[in-house]
Amino acid sequence: QQQVKQSPQSLIVQKGGISIINCAYENTAFDYFPWYQQFPGKGPALLIAIRPDVSEKKEGRFTISFNKSAKQFSLHIMDSQPGDSATYFCAATNAGNMLTFGGGTRLMVKP
Amino acid sequence: KAGVTQTPRYLIKTRGQQVTLSCSPISGHRSVSWYQQTPGQGLQFLFEYFSETQRNKGNFPGRFSGRQFSNSRSEMNVSTLELGDSALYLCASSPVGAGNTEAFFGQGTRLTVV
Repeated sequence: QQQVKQSPQSLIVQKGGISIINCAYENTAFDYFPWYQQFPGKGPALLIAIRPDVSEKKEGRFTISFNKSAKQFSLHIMDSQPGDSATYFCAATNAGNMLTFGGGTRLMVKP
Repeated sequence: KAGVTQTPRYLIKTRGQQVTLSCSPISGHRSVSWYQQTPGQGLQFLFEYFSETQRNKGNFPGRFSGRQFSNSRSEMNVSTLELGDSALYLCASSPVGAGNTEAFFGQGTRLTVV
């Protein structure tokens, strides 16, 4: 009930392209869905987050799409840049700072 | 504002020993959580402390424990270390507020058990 499944595990995108990462959850009690970006040797950094009362949230080149009925949410990175190359994690929680993370997606943006 | 500070950054310990890791949250944040990150299991929640009380606990054995001090700084302890405890241990702090669950992570402590 607590799982969050993330796909794909790895992704290669050309510079300027759109990167799309998907996540699915099981626990309908989850009410906060953040995405984190992690560079090697660093801790995860909060990128963008959404609550289930909205279907989409956009911040700059990053957009979360949320489908409550399908229990799925996705991250879209528009105009992907080499500097976006990192590992991305989706997460979910319904209890404060107790995050359940997806398995991660290693994104490589080719110049 | 200074970010979340974790010390030490790197540790090498021997099987059977114990270890204590430290976390200083962002000023004003009263919730501190700990996570274990490994290549095989990914990011897993260990426990959360708020106002010096453990508020949530993940599915880890009792060898993993933690505490929080009155200044919100937190420590986690792992006793009787096993090779499988080798991981990046991450601390995250959150501000207090209804529905506010933004979690900010430190750079982590890389623990190697030999």
